[in-house]
Amino acid sequence: DVKVTQSSRYLVKRTGEKVFLECVQDMDHENMFWYRQDPGLGLRLIYFSYDVKMKEKGDIPEGYSVSREKKERFSLILESASTNQTSMYLCASSLTGITEAFFGQGTRLTVV
Amino acid sequence: AQKITQTQPGMFVQEKEAVTLDCTYDTSDQSYGLFWYKQPSSGEMIFLIYQGSYDEQNATEGRYSLNFQKARKSANLVISASQLGDSAMYFCAMRGGSWGKLQFGAGTQVVVTP
Repeated sequence: DVKVTQSSRYLVKRTGEKVFLECVQDMDHENMFWYRQDPGLGLRLIYFSYDVKMKEKGDIPEGYSVSREKKERFSLILESASTNQTSMYLCASSLTGITEAFFGQGTRLTVV
Repeated sequence: AQKITQTQPGMFVQEKEAVTLDCTYDTSDQSYGLFWYKQPSSGEMIFLIYQGSYDEQNATEGRYSLNFQKARKSANLVISASQLGDSAMYFCAMRGGSWGKLQFGAGTQVVVTP
């Protein structure tokens, strides 16, 4: 079974802190994704990566950056956390092309 | 640019009845994939069903079927014989483009009542 693991289930950070959300997959997938999920808005794509060190902006990249130094790991970085970044963050991975994606368990981030 | 639209924010359905969840999409890609995911209150995202843009037959997986109407750009999910455990948020999604960007609709909350 594909396993996508996010480093934390719950996280509380202060405004202005630099925040790292880590995601690791064990199936040698080329593609990895970061989403945030807010009520009524569904899942909105922040960034995705189609290969090591390759990335593309999604629909809401402002305030975020990403890093993919190794194929199995995709990190989401909040350079200076703000309260409007309080949300559920979901990581996913997939083979390339148009195959289904597999999701991690999510990280609920609260910025105070 | 890709866009997924789910117009039903919430639905109630009685146990054992069928329910149809609407999904329309917009894309300029010739090759794309359509997906439905289920998210129960526990928060996990569960893949349900897939339809490729070149597939001529509608996809089916157990009690789930995808009603694919390519000309109308719709990909509705049909759940037959609803069960209490089907209560969840359901998301329609699409992949396409050069790198397989995956985007989601806003979701439909389904509540199954006895």
